[in-house]
Amino acid sequence: DIVMTQSPDSLAVSLGERATINCKSSQTLLYSSSNQNYLAWYQQKPGQPPKLLLYWASTRASGVPDRFSGSGSGREFTLTISTLQAEDVAVYYCQQYYDTPYTFGQGTKLEIK
Amino acid sequence: QVQVVDSGGGVVQPGRSLRLSCAASGFTFSGHSMHWVRQAPGKGLEWVSVIWYDGSKKYYVDSVKGRFTISRDNSQNIMYLEMNNLRVEDTAVYYCARGYLGGMDAWGQGTTVIVSS
Repeated sequence: DIVMTQSPDSLAVSLGERATINCKSSQTLLYSSSNQNYLAWYQQKPGQPPKLLLYWASTRASGVPDRFSGSGSGREFTLTISTLQAEDVAVYYCQQYYDTPYTFGQGTKLEIK
Repeated sequence: QVQVVDSGGGVVQPGRSLRLSCAASGFTFSGHSMHWVRQAPGKGLEWVSVIWYDGSKKYYVDSVKGRFTISRDNSQNIMYLEMNNLRVEDTAVYYCARGYLGGMDAWGQGTTVIVSS
């Protein structure tokens, strides 16, 4: 199975500042024939289901604010929130869909400093 | 609008069975893969199973292989997860989700399964 490891486990950032979450996979998520990285990012707020933020590592899902961006390729990826808003407090997960089982990272809890 | 509604959770004893349902509306159900994802109390997300848009392929996480069966009825826009021989460690909120370009872009509110004697 592909193991997904996120860092840090928790993060406190001031409003208006940048938040960065890292995700590393145990094997490449770059599918050579399509040149796409099979990685998604999700946001989960307390008591709610997850919400898709990004797919193909860097493509924003419909309705996702442009302060959310994704980068990286191969085995290392980053989710960046450019200017943190109060409503961004949540747990963030990366997930690979390169191969089944489609594993998630352990999650990163983002709080306001 | 796109909507998936999961249901069927409950409290069951170890070794018993339960069937979860996921009703879809607002989109062409037969055009999308569908997933089950679970979340144990206070824990992270665990992907459980996926079924291809036409039902031709099904995949499971190792911990449920041989016990859980995913299925779908495209004529009724509904997906199922048949869970047999349930274990205490299967206790979780179970979400159904629509597959979208590999990710999952529409999620149900979750249905709670508690396995306890």
